[in-house]
Amino acid sequence: GQSLEQPSEVTAVEGAIVQINCTYQTSGFYGLSWYQQHDGGAPTFLSYNALDGLEETGRFSSFLSRSDSYGYLLLQELQMKDCASYFCAVRDLAAGNKLTFGGGTRVLVKP
Amino acid sequence: DTAVSQTPKYLVTQMGNDKSIKCEQNLGHDTMYWYKQDSKKFLKIMFSYNNKELIINETVPNRFSPKSPDKAHLNLHINSLELGDSAVYFCASSQVLSAPETQYFGPGTRLLVL
Repeated sequence: GQSLEQPSEVTAVEGAIVQINCTYQTSGFYGLSWYQQHDGGAPTFLSYNALDGLEETGRFSSFLSRSDSYGYLLLQELQMKDCASYFCAVRDLAAGNKLTFGGGTRVLVKP
Repeated sequence: DTAVSQTPKYLVTQMGNDKSIKCEQNLGHDTMYWYKQDSKKFLKIMFSYNNKELIINETVPNRFSPKSPDKAHLNLHINSLELGDSAVYFCASSQVLSAPETQYFGPGTRLLVL
């Protein structure tokens, strides 16, 4: 089977840096995606890592270590609009090449 | 110029009723999905279609029946609605079956079964 673990909630102040960790167990791992979902909204794609290393897109970066079955999403210069839930999702070839989502991490930003 | 649209946005109905949710994407994508998000925000895939062909059918009660009349549309019909069906249902699409990592989600249909 598959399992993904990520913290349920993280709180930080504006301007801070937040790291959301995601550990996974899956038999046919191919890559790790990150999605953002604001309250009442739809998930939106942020990033995808298939290879080890850091991918940077503006204030957000995503990291993957395949050997450690671990990845993280880094949110820099935190803004109030970053208040949302963030989901990691594994792409698993052994499970029909679908995305399996983690439970989500709610990020709360304090002024 | 909405990319993935769903109707209705809200659906309130009685137990035992039958209802349908419609989804359309204008991105030219080959693959479409239905997800269920429960009150704890767990997002779980239900079905996927590629060019009108059913690819993924997770362990979903057979009261749920998807239909894809063409690759731009994926509808979901639910028979004999139960209280536990209350959730937000998201439609999504990806460019091709082999690239599910980047999906575009519709706005969701909030279903409440009374």
